[in-house]
Amino acid sequence: EADIYQTPRYLVIGTGKKITLECSQTMGHDKMYWYQQDPGMELHLIHYSYGVNSTEKGDLSSESTVSRIRTEHFPLTLESARPSHTSQYLCASSELGQNNEQFFGPGTRLTVL
Amino acid sequence: TQLLEQSPQFLSIQEGENLTVYCNSSSVFSSLQWYRQEPGEGPVLLVTVVTGGEVKKLKRLTFQFGDARKDSSLHITAAQPGDTGLYLCAGGYQKVTFGIGTKLQVIP
Repeated sequence: EADIYQTPRYLVIGTGKKITLECSQTMGHDKMYWYQQDPGMELHLIHYSYGVNSTEKGDLSSESTVSRIRTEHFPLTLESARPSHTSQYLCASSELGQNNEQFFGPGTRLTVL
Repeated sequence: TQLLEQSPQFLSIQEGENLTVYCNSSSVFSSLQWYRQEPGEGPVLLVTVVTGGEVKKLKRLTFQFGDARKDSSLHITAAQPGDTGLYLCAGGYQKVTFGIGTKLQVIP
């Protein structure tokens, strides 16, 4: 069973607030990812990392930023949340070279009022 | 960017029926993964297919990788309400591409 955790599961905040979505995995995976998914829609890759101090932007432009200071931790930060940021944010991890089989966290459902 | 097209996008069937969903691309993939996602949760990996023509079975689910490694199918035998969910295919090496998914509803 995959051990990847996301907190909070649900977050409702006002416009302009700074937020950090947490993601941690205990599998020692080098690769980690953040996806954005609106209800009933496809997954969009917004950030990924190949390891410590490595971060890259994904296919979907996002105003969020990420950091990877430790292998197990890949937080996502929004400096000033807006209603357009309302979505489900999914974190995932995978081993290097293992066919990119990804293990997903349960997601954070973010609502910005 | 390697694109994955999934069909159908929506499927509603009665319990006990069989169904097949498809994942197609014009690109060759070294492997493809299938995931199932339930509402409000993250996708869960079901299987990885690697070899062209490969067939893998997971209880009532049968996965096949096309001979040319450009497409894959998922067949469910005697669907159950617990099979309801969004079925996603994914592939790629440096950057993983996900299909839009097939939303399956199995009616009791």
